[in-house]
Amino acid sequence: ETGVTQSPTHLIKTRGQQVTLRCSSQSGHNTVSWYQQALGQGPQFIFQYYREEENGRGNFPPRFSGLQFPNYSSELNVNALELDDSALYLCASSLVAGAKTEAFFGQGTRLTVV
Amino acid sequence: AQSVTQLDSQVPVFEEAPVELRCNYSSSVSVYLFWYVQYPNQGLQLLLKYLSGSTLVKGINGFEAEFNKSQTSFHLRKPSVHISDTAEYFCAVRRNTGGFKTIFGAGTRLFVKA
Repeated sequence: ETGVTQSPTHLIKTRGQQVTLRCSSQSGHNTVSWYQQALGQGPQFIFQYYREEENGRGNFPPRFSGLQFPNYSSELNVNALELDDSALYLCASSLVAGAKTEAFFGQGTRLTVV
Repeated sequence: AQSVTQLDSQVPVFEEAPVELRCNYSSSVSVYLFWYVQYPNQGLQLLLKYLSGSTLVKGINGFEAEFNKSQTSFHLRKPSVHISDTAEYFCAVRRNTGGFKTIFGAGTRLFVKA
């Protein structure tokens, strides 16, 4: 158990719809990162939030957006869903106390777009 | 920019045999190196990490890895595998100055046979 929880665990959406995925960080962690893991591939970095501000983004379009709340929980929002958005979405939380700090991953949300 | 290449997509091995999972990386800046394991329908679990110091790193479940700067490699080894080691293994890098953006390889599927 990493102390990072994600909800829901599975989700099915229709192309064109919008989806919100949630992540509860490990207690005391102020940084959260989101990753997309397509089937048979490694995780791809989407973006990172530190103290409620986005401070790093991967090669994903603007329809992927996020929020981090004062309690450091986080949301990933995806608009105008496409079939290729089907993937496992992972969040990772960490405490910024020097670059050597470890990130802890949640179990992921499996999103299927039909 | 950083990149990670896992040289084998699948590695079948018999129980109690030794195994090596190969990883090469490319980076223009200094990086930290990681190996993660992912069991079916689960998130990522950190096996071990190289931050600095000794180039031989020991992790959980009897795994170890050796950082070779001249060959830009970080191969994962275990002297005797168990059926329970069957999983997907990901090599990853993160630059050692700021941020938690982690670049993952495509993964190596370790399949341990009885």
